[in-house]
Amino acid sequence: AQKVTQAQTEISVVEKEDVTLDCVYETRDTTYYLFWYKQPPSGELVFLIRRNSFDEQNEISGRYSWNFQKSTSSFNFTITASQVVDSAVYFCALEVDSNYQLIWGAGTKLIIKP
Amino acid sequence: SQTIHQWPATLVQPVGSPLSLECTVEGTSNPNLYWYRQAAGRGLQLLFYSVGIGQISSEVPQNLSASRPQDRQFILSSKKLLLSDSGFYLCAWSEQKNTEAFFGQGTRLTVV
Repeated sequence: AQKVTQAQTEISVVEKEDVTLDCVYETRDTTYYLFWYKQPPSGELVFLIRRNSFDEQNEISGRYSWNFQKSTSSFNFTITASQVVDSAVYFCALEVDSNYQLIWGAGTKLIIKP
Repeated sequence: SQTIHQWPATLVQPVGSPLSLECTVEGTSNPNLYWYRQAAGRGLQLLFYSVGIGQISSEVPQNLSASRPQDRQFILSSKKLLLSDSGFYLCAWSEQKNTEAFFGQGTRLTVV
C-alpha cells in the first residue's frame, strides 16, 4: 500500500525567511511519481512539480526548490525568501505507475507573516 | 490552452435532495477526468475517474455516482444527499495516467 506523510500540520514564518515543507512517502513500486500542489485560500489546487522515481535530480524554479531523496523516501519542498503570497496549504502526492489514484498527504498549512 | 470549468461554486442542499455537479474541459480531447472530495482540513479523496466516454471507475463506494456523457464533460450526481456528503468537491483532468492533473475551482457543498 502507498502512503504519503506530511508531518507538519502548520508552519508560520516571517516574510523573507526560508521554509522547508517535508514529505515522506511509502511504496513498494519501483516506478512512481511524486507531485506537489498548492491550494491558496480560493480553494483551487495549483500544480507545482512532478517527479518520476528515476529522476533524483533536485529542481529549482525561482524561489522554489525540491529535494528528492530515494534513500530516505522524501520529497521536500523549500521556499526561499518567502512572501505573503506563498501562504497556502501545500500538498504532496504520490502515484504509482500501475494506478490512476493519487495518494495525498494531509497537507501543510503555510502562513507567511508580513 | 486548456481550461476546466466547474459549477456551481457554492451549493446548499437539504438532506434527501438530488445533486448534480458539472465539469467541462476545453482545449483538449480524450482527457482523463477525476472527481475528488476534500473534507475540511484534510487531503483529497478520489471518488471517480474516467479514461473515456461512458467509462467510469469508482474508488470509494458511497452515495454518489458519476457519468461522462461527452468526451469533455464529467458529472457528479446523487439521488438523495446525506449530511455526510458535505464537503469541497474538485474536478480535475490530466492528459494521461501519471501526469499532472489540473483542477477546477471546486464546489463547496453543504447539506443541511
